[in-house]
Amino acid sequence: ILNVEQSPQSLHVQEGDSTNFTCSFPSSNFYALHWYRWETAKSPEALFVMTLNGDEKKKGRISATLNTKEGYSYLYIKGSQPEDSATYLCASPDSNYQLIWGAGTKLIIKP
Amino acid sequence: DVKVTQSSRYLVKRTGEKVFLECVQDMDHENMFWYRQDPGLGLRLIYFSYDVKMKEKGDIPEGYSVSREKKERFSLILESASTNQTSMYLCASSLPRFPQPQHFGDGTRLSIL
Repeated sequence: ILNVEQSPQSLHVQEGDSTNFTCSFPSSNFYALHWYRWETAKSPEALFVMTLNGDEKKKGRISATLNTKEGYSYLYIKGSQPEDSATYLCASPDSNYQLIWGAGTKLIIKP
Repeated sequence: DVKVTQSSRYLVKRTGEKVFLECVQDMDHENMFWYRQDPGLGLRLIYFSYDVKMKEKGDIPEGYSVSREKKERFSLILESASTNQTSMYLCASSLPRFPQPQHFGDGTRLSIL
């Protein structure tokens, strides 16, 4: 059974600081890695879908890297702002192409 | 802007009731999904559908059923609600080509008393 893990579970960051967190997944039978942002009282929003080892994607101050050989992805946020406060989810498809989700990293930006 | 709409943000029902959660998407997506989210756990797939009239069980289908009579609508049914079905329910849709991001509704926080 595919297991996707995220760390840390929660993170407090001062406004203006940069931060990063991790998503780990089995390196065998890898298909893709998804990142989502879920703000309170809103719907989860797709950030990135990554498929290639070494891939890097960027959206504004948020970027992500992918290492399929060792089974991890990092999400980076540069110069954190209060609007970055959210739970960040990652997910990877299993052999039936259904997403298996991590429990999320809750990011709180302190003004 | 693309939109997935869930019929209720909050819902309170009693044990044994039949509960309907509705989801409508306006993106003409073939794929639709129902998840539940519980504290400390990742989203868990209940049912999914790749086409009208088609449904497949996810990881935790027990106690649930679904209906997809029209492409844009995917309904989740709790046949006889129980307290362990108290949860946040999320509907999502996506295009069929792999891999595609999923588009989510705002969720329904369901409490079973």
